[in-house]
Amino acid sequence: EVQVLESGGGLVQPGGSLRLSCAASGFTFSHFGMVWVRQAPGRGLEWVSLITGSGDSTYYADSVRGRFTISRDNSKNTLYLQMSSLRADDTAVYFCAKAIVGVIASDHWGQGTLVSVSS
Amino acid sequence: TVLTQTPGTLSLSPGERATLSCRASQSVSSSYLAWYQQKPGQAPRLLIYGTSTRATGIPDRFSGSGFGTDFTLTISRLEPEDFAVYYCQQYDSSPPSWTFGQGTKVEVK
Repeated sequence: EVQVLESGGGLVQPGGSLRLSCAASGFTFSHFGMVWVRQAPGRGLEWVSLITGSGDSTYYADSVRGRFTISRDNSKNTLYLQMSSLRADDTAVYFCAKAIVGVIASDHWGQGTLVSVSS
Repeated sequence: TVLTQTPGTLSLSPGERATLSCRASQSVSSSYLAWYQQKPGQAPRLLIYGTSTRATGIPDRFSGSGFGTDFTLTISRLEPEDFAVYYCQQYDSSPPSWTFGQGTKVEVK
């Protein structure tokens, strides 16, 4: 059974940093791209970042480029999102998701981890 | 690319047909348009990808169609578990990025 499980969320002050992790199982992790998507309270879905299966290529939304870094450790079947210079508008539930071939959509999602940025 | 979903809210009764629209600000490849369902407190669930291909385990009352800038998700007969928020999503290849529509809420009338 495919599973992805996020961790690392919490309360952080504006300007602070946080690293999210996503543990994956049930599939050959290195064969699939992965994405981070966030959802602010009461709002819609917003794509944050994606990474190819090998980890060689990474892409970011304009709203987080230069502040967030996506990475993966295929030996540990784990995806990461390093977040820095956090702002109040980064407050959201962060979902990690396994992409289908071509990274055109995601077929398995975690339950999300809440990041709250507040003083 | 901006995706605009209409209506914002759809009030229907179980057994009725639901038609949800997703309009793109520029042409989208049919291969790159997907639909998700999200219920409160849950993660999104992939329903449709490639405009019309149902994801694994998705019942055939869900269907997708469209071309160019206009795409549609149809639920032929609403079941009680179908009342939720639906999002369309497109993939742009140059450079790779995703965009979501703002969502359509299907609520019980």
